[in-house]
Amino acid sequence: DAGITQSPRHKVTETGTPVTLRCHQTENHRYMYWYRQDPGHGLRLIHYSYGVKDTDKGEVSDGYSVSRSKTEDFLLTLESATSSQTSVYFCAIRADRGSSYEQYFGPGTRLTVT
Amino acid sequence: AQSVTQLGSHVSVSEGALVLLRCNYSSSVPPYLFWYVQYPNQGLQLLLKYTSAATLVKGINGFEAEFKKSETSFHLTKPSAHMSDAAEYFCAVMIGGNEKLTFGTGTRLTIIP
Repeated sequence: DAGITQSPRHKVTETGTPVTLRCHQTENHRYMYWYRQDPGHGLRLIHYSYGVKDTDKGEVSDGYSVSRSKTEDFLLTLESATSSQTSVYFCAIRADRGSSYEQYFGPGTRLTVT
Repeated sequence: AQSVTQLGSHVSVSEGALVLLRCNYSSSVPPYLFWYVQYPNQGLQLLLKYTSAATLVKGINGFEAEFKKSETSFHLTKPSAHMSDAAEYFCAVMIGGNEKLTFGTGTRLTIIP
């Protein structure tokens, strides 16, 4: 357990509405990530952060934005949700110890866009 | 660019039989390799990792994987399957110094009683 929580855990929203998902960590890790998981695609990186106010895009960033104003919180926003964004969203942190680079994952948020 | 291919989206084995889940990677430089397991309705849990030390890596729950550079493979094995091993397994690759993990599409393991 790397002290990662995600909220909400489940959400149903309507097409066109904004949605914000929150990832919170308690161990001051520098790197944080947002992934989406879809059947047949594994996990795909949406955005990641390498420090407060420092973020970069992943492979499926269109339609998503992120913010990191504090080390412990990484927010993912869907500005105008679409049905194609129905997915399970996972937050992760990267271990800072040594040079292992492994990532640890939160429990996920299941988002349904109707 | 880095990529990983998992052969077989579904694998079924009998309880007590050998588990073999296949992963091949593509990387122009020596990679870091990982196996993760995901139980239903849960997040991903790290099983084991290869970071250029020993080529045979032992992980949790009796799993191990062998890095074979000549075959660009990192297959996951377990000598004797348990019912509790039923889950989805993901292979992932990272080039050292790159912040990003690239995941395979996953293999769902079913254990037959």
